[in-house]
This record gives sequence, structure tokens and C-alpha cells, in this order.
Amino acid sequence: QKEVEQNSGPLSVPEGAIASLNCTYSDRGSQSFFWYRQYSGKSPELIMSIYSNGDKEDGRFTAQLNKASQYVSLLIRDSQPSDSATYLCAVGYIPTFGRGTSLIVHP
Amino acid sequence: NAGVMQNPRHLVRRRGQEARLRCSPMKGHSHVYWYRQLPEEGLKFMVYLQKENIIDESGMPKERFSAEFPKEGPSILRIQQVVRGDSAAYFCASSPPGGGRTDTQYFGPGTRLTVL
Repeated sequence: QKEVEQNSGPLSVPEGAIASLNCTYSDRGSQSFFWYRQYSGKSPELIMSIYSNGDKEDGRFTAQLNKASQYVSLLIRDSQPSDSATYLCAVGYIPTFGRGTSLIVHP
Repeated sequence: NAGVMQNPRHLVRRRGQEARLRCSPMKGHSHVYWYRQLPEEGLKFMVYLQKENIIDESGMPKERFSAEFPKEGPSILRIQQVVRGDSAAYFCASSPPGGGRTDTQYFGPGTRLTVL
């Protein structure tokens, strides 16, 4: 069974800091990796997709993928209170989702 | 609004009734996925459909649940004889045609089902 593991948190960071969210997965053959953000009571919103080893940057967000270690992470620079949400890691063509990490950015 | 549409947004049913959840994919998208999210849990894949075809239903419970995506009209997730354990948020996502690893799913607002 394909598994995607995330620390449930909450991860609490001060405004302006870097938030680091981590995810490990079990299916070594996975080729597609996604990060979604979900506010309470809302639907998931795609933030980043990554398919190759290394880093991918988009604004304040950087996704990092290491297929050898079966590890994918999301860095959020200059964290803002509006970034407070649950971040879901998803892996695979028909994605398997982790349970999500709750991020709290306090002023 | 060209996004994924779901209705109703909230649905209340009594035990034993039927629930029908509808999803209209984003314009130009031909792939539809249904997920269920229980409180404090992650999204669980249920079924993947293309027009008139069920591609993968490995996440669907064997009984009471069915899904379709007809040639015309929205995709329907149908739950017969609902039980309290069916109370959850049901999300639909769509992706464009073509397949392959670059497909990205876009989610609708969800239907919150409450079974009394």
C-alpha cells in the first residue's frame, strides 16, 4: 500500500521566518509530487508540483525533491499569518495524500 | 467561473436515505476524481473517471457507493442507504486530457455530507 507520511504538527513559526514542511513516501516508482494548501473548511489549493530531483522555486515557495531518500519538502520564506493552514503532500499519478501538517504563523 | 463546480455544498440525509453528489469539471477537463475527507484525516482517493468510463475505482467501498460520468452532464457520486460513518467532506477534482505525469488536479469546493 502506498503511504505518504507527514508530521501533523502544528508547526509554529514567527512572521517573517522560514517554515519547513516535510514529507516521505513509500512508492519508490513515484514520478509526480504535489503540495496543496487547505484552509479550514475549504478545498485543497495547489501550490507546487515537482517531478525532478532538486529544487523548484515559485515566489516565496520552494519545493525540494530527493527521490533516492523518498523525501519531498516545502519551504515557505518570509512566512505570513495568511500562510496559516494545513499543507498536504500528495504523491503519484493518482495522488496519495498525506494527512497534512498544520502551520501556524504568529505575528 | 471556469473552476470545478460541486453541488450541493451541504447535504443532510437521514440514515437509510440516498445521497447524490454532483461535480462539473473545469472547462476543457475530461478526467474526474472523487475524494473523501473525514474529520482530522487526509484525503482518501475513491474513484477516477473519464467520460463514460470508470478508470480506477480501487478506493470505492464495495457496497452502497457508485459513480458515473456520463457523456453529457456532471459526474455523480451516489451513496445508497447512508450511515453516520458516511458523514464527511467529498471533494471532486478534475484534470485535463492527455494523461501522463504532468496532470495536475484542481479541486472543487466540496460537498459536506451530514448523516443524522
